[in-house]
Amino acid sequence: AQKVTQAQTEISVVEKEDVTLDCVYETRDTTYYLFWYKQPPSGELVFLIRRNSFDEQNEISGRYSWNFQKSTSSFNFTITASQVVDSAVYFCALRGVPRDSWGKLQFGAGTQVVVTP
Amino acid sequence: DADVTQTPRNRITKTGKRIMLECSQTKGHDRMYWYRQDPGLGLRLIYYSFDVKDINKGEISDGYSVSRQAQAKFSLSLESAIPNQTALYFCATSDSRLAGTYSYEQYFGPGTRLTVT
Repeated sequence: AQKVTQAQTEISVVEKEDVTLDCVYETRDTTYYLFWYKQPPSGELVFLIRRNSFDEQNEISGRYSWNFQKSTSSFNFTITASQVVDSAVYFCALRGVPRDSWGKLQFGAGTQVVVTP
Repeated sequence: DADVTQTPRNRITKTGKRIMLECSQTKGHDRMYWYRQDPGLGLRLIYYSFDVKDINKGEISDGYSVSRQAQAKFSLSLESAIPNQTALYFCATSDSRLAGTYSYEQYFGPGTRLTVT
């Protein structure tokens, strides 16, 4: 069984502060993919990043960075110098690749980020 | 134009009514999915379809049915709506024919906000 835990329900920061979102996952599959999605107040789901289980290299994209650690089954996401436009719900998701069946996309419960001016 | 469209975007209906949510895609993908989103629960899979003749139940299919009218169209029906089906519904697509990492991407529509009174 797959499981994704986002323990932080809501994080409130003041603009320009950094914010880190935690994601812990469980899977029995040796191959899997991890995702982060952003859901702004308008409601759509915006894909941010995908990592596969064989690539633990951390990634930085502008103000976003991701820290993938297989040893702790974590895939954390940091927004540096937050802006009001970063206010959204952020979802971590996991997709396992089982040998003999289809791996569904398992979402965490989401973390609401509120950035105030 | 959006690659994955959902109609209607918002709907208010009464308990016991039949309602259909529609999803269309121009991405040429073979796989389509229906999810519902509830606060604090993330997205949960209702039904998924690998092609027109292959439809499968997800984790919360009770009270729902689907129809894959064509490769590009996947409809979700609530035969007799009840208040706890009030949620945000998302359609998604993916392409199994892509090689490697990208075959696991799912692309989401803008969502349909359904309220059952």
